[in-house]
Amino acid sequence: DQQVKQNSPSLSVQEGRISILNCDYTNSMFDYFLWYKKYPAEGPTFLISISSIKDKNEDGRFTVFLNKSAKHLSLHIVPSQPGDSAVYFCAAGPNDYKLSFGAGTTVTVRA
Amino acid sequence: GAGVSQSPSNKVTEKGKDVELRCDPISGHTALYWYRQRLGQGLEFLIYFQGNSAPDKSGLPSDRFSAERTGESVSTLTIQRTQQEDSAVYLCASTRGGSYNEQFFGPGTRLTVL
Repeated sequence: DQQVKQNSPSLSVQEGRISILNCDYTNSMFDYFLWYKKYPAEGPTFLISISSIKDKNEDGRFTVFLNKSAKHLSLHIVPSQPGDSAVYFCAAGPNDYKLSFGAGTTVTVRA
Repeated sequence: GAGVSQSPSNKVTEKGKDVELRCDPISGHTALYWYRQRLGQGLEFLIYFQGNSAPDKSGLPSDRFSAERTGESVSTLTIQRTQQEDSAVYLCASTRGGSYNEQFFGPGTRLTVL
């Protein structure tokens, strides 16, 4: 029973354009949301997070949006760069230790 | 060390054998987590340690799985009598503890059960 879903397994975007990654969750008790980035043969690395008291959090080129009523969050990367090509995981949980992860979206940034 | 390390990086074993996976967290990190990622799926939470205690073992899939942590440092995940469905990448992560600290992941151990 997947509580966090990333319905797009892959995304291809032109360098310089915006990448939008989407994530849906089912558990209304989830209070903490994160995005992780993963390169091949490496573990995921933390990218950005948002708590339920906010609806937007920005860090440089990365912005996470949270819509609690829709149980939906998204990650915007603008402008996209070739180094952004990776697998992106959405994670959510009632706290910061018991996180549920989506299956990931593979982003390819075309030069 | 600079980051979370895991060993071995790859393990191939025969069905029915026991395996032991090791995780060295970042020095000073009090919390440690084990996850499993099967092919094409997201990470599944297995177990969480705070210090040497495991307050939440709810993710362990069966009694063939166990984990321990000693010295508030190294952790081992043991899978007894491995089955083919145990084949996955096993990831370890650590945090300083407390609330809302992002988890730092190791590179994982890829386990293949033949």
